[in-house]
Amino acid sequence: AQSVTQPDIHITVSEGASLELRCNYSYGATPYLFWYVQSPGQGLQLLLKYFSGDTLVQGIKGFEAEFKRSQSSFNLRKPSVHWSDAAEYFCAVGLNNAGNMLTFGGGTRLMVKP
Amino acid sequence: KAGVTQTPRYLIKTRGQQVTLSCSPISGHRSVSWYQQTPGQGLQFLFEYFSETQRNKGNFPGRFSGRQFSNSRSEMNVSTLELGDSALYLCASSVAGEQYFGPGTRLTVT
Repeated sequence: AQSVTQPDIHITVSEGASLELRCNYSYGATPYLFWYVQSPGQGLQLLLKYFSGDTLVQGIKGFEAEFKRSQSSFNLRKPSVHWSDAAEYFCAVGLNNAGNMLTFGGGTRLMVKP
Repeated sequence: KAGVTQTPRYLIKTRGQQVTLSCSPISGHRSVSWYQQTPGQGLQFLFEYFSETQRNKGNFPGRFSGRQFSNSRSEMNVSTLELGDSALYLCASSVAGEQYFGPGTRLTVT
C-alpha cells in the first residue's frame, strides 16, 4: 500500500532562517508528488507538484522541492522563512495517473520565531 | 475565476442523524474529490467523482456516499452519524492532475 511519511510533526525556525521539511513516500510506480499548506481553519493550498522531468521544482511563495528517487524523498525547502509561513504543511502522493486520489502524510506544523 | 466553494461551512448534528454537504468546483473542472480530516487520522480520501460517475473510493463505510450532478457540483451524505464522524470535510476539484481545495465544512456530531 502507498504511504507518505513526514517525520517531523513540529518544526520551529527563526524568521529569516532556511527551512527544510522532510517527506518520504512508499509507492510502487513513479509517483505524482505534491506539497500543500494549510493555515488554521482553512483548506489546502497547492504549493508545488512533481509529475516528471526536472527533479527540482519551484512553487509559489518561494518554496521549492527536490524529488530524489533513490531516497524516495520529496523534501520541501525555502531559503528564508517569513512569519507568514507559519502553518501546517502536507506532502501527498497521487495514486493514479490523474492524481485525483491523494494519500497524505501526517503533516508538519511550522512555527516561526520572530 | 472563483475557487471551490463548500456549504455549509459549519454544521452541528446529533448522533444518528444524517447530513448532506455540498461542493461547487471551479468552473470547467469535471473531477471532484472528497477528503475527511481529523486530528487522529489526518487527511483521508473518501471518494472521487468524474462526469457524474464515482471513479475512486477510499476505505470508508457505506454510510458515506456521494454523487455528482451534470454541472459537476457534488454532494456527500453521511447517514447515521457517529461521534467519530466529527471532522473537517474537504472537497477538491481537479484539472490536469492538480487538485484545488475548498475551505471545508466543519461537522460536529454531538
